[in-house]
Amino acid sequence: QVQLQESGPGLVKPSQTLSLTCTVSGGSISSSGYYWSWIRQHPGKGLEWIGYIYYSGSTYYNPSLKSRVTISVDTSKNQFSLKLSSVTAADTAVYYCARDSLGYGDYYLWGQGTPVTVSS
Amino acid sequence: QSALTQPASVSGSPGQSITISCTGTSSDVGGYNYVSWYQHHPGKAPKLMIYDVSNRPSGVSDRFSGSKSGNTASLTISGLQAEDEADYYCSSYTSSSSLVFGGGTKLTVL
Repeated sequence: QVQLQESGPGLVKPSQTLSLTCTVSGGSISSSGYYWSWIRQHPGKGLEWIGYIYYSGSTYYNPSLKSRVTISVDTSKNQFSLKLSSVTAADTAVYYCARDSLGYGDYYLWGQGTPVTVSS
Repeated sequence: QSALTQPASVSGSPGQSITISCTGTSSDVGGYNYVSWYQHHPGKAPKLMIYDVSNRPSGVSDRFSGSKSGNTASLTISGLQAEDEADYYCSSYTSSSSLVFGGGTKLTVL
């Protein structure tokens, strides 16, 4: 069965770029119809949708984060990635990767989440 | 985009029913039948409980049901059980071709 696993630095300095990778195992990231997503949860707060990339390469981002976010896919490694630039303490959160079946928020499949702290 | 509005907390006794509301606008909840609900136990990945307003994924108990009226969607849990205690989040597709979550509701089973 398909599984997702996030990886990346747990600590990022302010003003730097946060980079995370989600490895897809048990299936191909090139499978048609899926939206590969990033979602985060600030400490003690709710979930926040960051964005997703369609298997064809089209990207869709949260308007409030759009200027700082890039989501990309590496089909050769069966991975997709998140880059969030100019981070501040407000970007401290648990970051989840997830798979949306149709792009409407049907997240059947999630990674376990990875905590990222922004601090000097 | 603004988060959808959910009550911060709800509670109920075992066997009772509770309803969690999720209020948005005509640009999200009211404009599309793409509202989902997630159950989230701390330290675990969220679990999809309802999609497309009222559809249950395979394996989700029929004690969970969803509905929508205007700009407000609702999740009802009947026959409350101790294991239902968790945080619940709604989400909706939006007119910006994006998704938005609610602020979350903590369900306490008394």
